[in-house]
Amino acid sequence: DSGVTQTPKHLITATGQRVTLRCSPRSGDLSVYWYQQSLDQGLQFLIQYYNGEERAKGNILERFSAQQFPDLHSELNLSSLELGDSALYFCASSPPQSPYNEQFFGPGTRLTVL
Amino acid sequence: AQSVTQLDSHVSVSEGTPVLLRCNYSSSYSPSLFWYVQHPNKGLQLLLKYTSAATLVKGINGFEAEFKKSETSFHLTKPSAHMSDAAEYFCVVSDPRGGSYIPTFGRGTSLIVHP
Repeated sequence: DSGVTQTPKHLITATGQRVTLRCSPRSGDLSVYWYQQSLDQGLQFLIQYYNGEERAKGNILERFSAQQFPDLHSELNLSSLELGDSALYFCASSPPQSPYNEQFFGPGTRLTVL
Repeated sequence: AQSVTQLDSHVSVSEGTPVLLRCNYSSSYSPSLFWYVQHPNKGLQLLLKYTSAATLVKGINGFEAEFKKSETSFHLTKPSAHMSDAAEYFCVVSDPRGGSYIPTFGRGTSLIVHP
C-alpha cells in the first residue's frame, strides 16, 4: 500500500458526460501528478500540482482539468467524454524533500466510456 | 527533450533463471532514472532509482540496475526469477524542466515467468 488513495476504483459512463476522479496524496506529500494509461498510448503524464498550484502540464486535453485543494487532495475533471477517454487514470504523489521526483502511485481509477 | 526506450515489449524466462530488461534513455541533463513494476490491476511500485550516486543501484526483491552513461543505458537485472516477478516493468527518465522533474515513461516490458 503506497499511502495514495483514489476514488472511485471503477467508473462507467456514457459519451458526452462529465466525471470527477479524486486523489488523496500520502501524508506530508505536497506534489500530486495525474497520469492516463491506455493500451495504445502507454502511460502519459497529464498534469502536476504542488501545494495547490499547477506546476507542470503534459498531454492533457482541454476537456480535462484538475485542481488541488488546501487539504492537498486533488480532483481530475473529465468532460465531454469520448470513447477514447476509456483508460486507467493514476494519481501519484512525491515527498517535498525529494528533488528526484520519486513518486508513489495510487491504485488507479478505471474509466469506461460507453 | 528526454525520452526512454524499452527495447523489449515482452521477456520470457524460466523460474530460477536470470532476468534482463533493457532500457535506453536520452536526456539533455543529468537525469534521474527509475524502474517501476506494475502487477495486474495494481498501481505502479518503485523498484529502484538512480540519482547520480553509485552507478550500480540495488532495489527491492533482488533487482538491481546499472547506469552506463557512455551507453545511455539503465538495464534492470535479477539473478534468479521468481513466479511472483511476473508483471509489467517501466523504465522512467526524469530531468528538470522549468524547475520541475517531470518523468517520461517507457512503453513497458511484460515479464513472463514459466515454472
